[in-house]
Amino acid sequence: NAGVTQTPKFQVLKTGQSMTLQCAQDMNHEYMSWYRQDPGMGLRLIHYSVGAGITDQGEVPNGYNVSRSTTEDFPLRLLSAAPSQTSVYFCASSPWSNQPQHFGDGTRLSIL
Amino acid sequence: TQLLEQSPQFLSIQEGENLTVYCNSSSVFSSLQWYRQEPGEGPVLLVTVVTGGEVKKLKRLTFQFGDARKDSSLHITAAQPGDTGLYLCAGITGNQFYFGTGTSLTVIP
Repeated sequence: NAGVTQTPKFQVLKTGQSMTLQCAQDMNHEYMSWYRQDPGMGLRLIHYSVGAGITDQGEVPNGYNVSRSTTEDFPLRLLSAAPSQTSVYFCASSPWSNQPQHFGDGTRLSIL
Repeated sequence: TQLLEQSPQFLSIQEGENLTVYCNSSSVFSSLQWYRQEPGEGPVLLVTVVTGGEVKKLKRLTFQFGDARKDSSLHITAAQPGDTGLYLCAGITGNQFYFGTGTSLTVIP
């Protein structure tokens, strides 16, 4: 009964470091997405995928890369971390793009 | 620029009062969803509205989709402390979700 699992839950990075936020779902959902949540701004879409091998950019893709080699996994890579990327990151999945999304519990990322 | 604007941003009311949260845009959406988020957790879906003018009720919560599918409202009757949380609307266009700015509701016992 795992649903959407995000790791790590917390991370502190230094400016310029790279890292990968992991996201896995066990519901066989085709649609997966990454959001960042900042105070007063709701959630903003970073990247999304409509199936394995297919990814596309959302509202705020700069500084982030994604890949979707399997249905289950959708990692988010920060290439060179910047303080402006300090945020809470959420991964979500749904059977298809217009269906209710199931969210993970988030990764709280601080960049110093 | 946020595609979906929610108002009010913050709301603090006494238990038993009624309230309405608004979600407005100049864009047309194929459907709109409302989520509620608790601290330290991801958002959880409350409802999806699809048809312009559609009204859905979930116990004390009433959701309405605007006739032109550009706006929506959430009305809570007789609010309870358990309704406290962050309420988010999300409009769907194509394969993309656009979330509103959020309304933080506190219901005081």
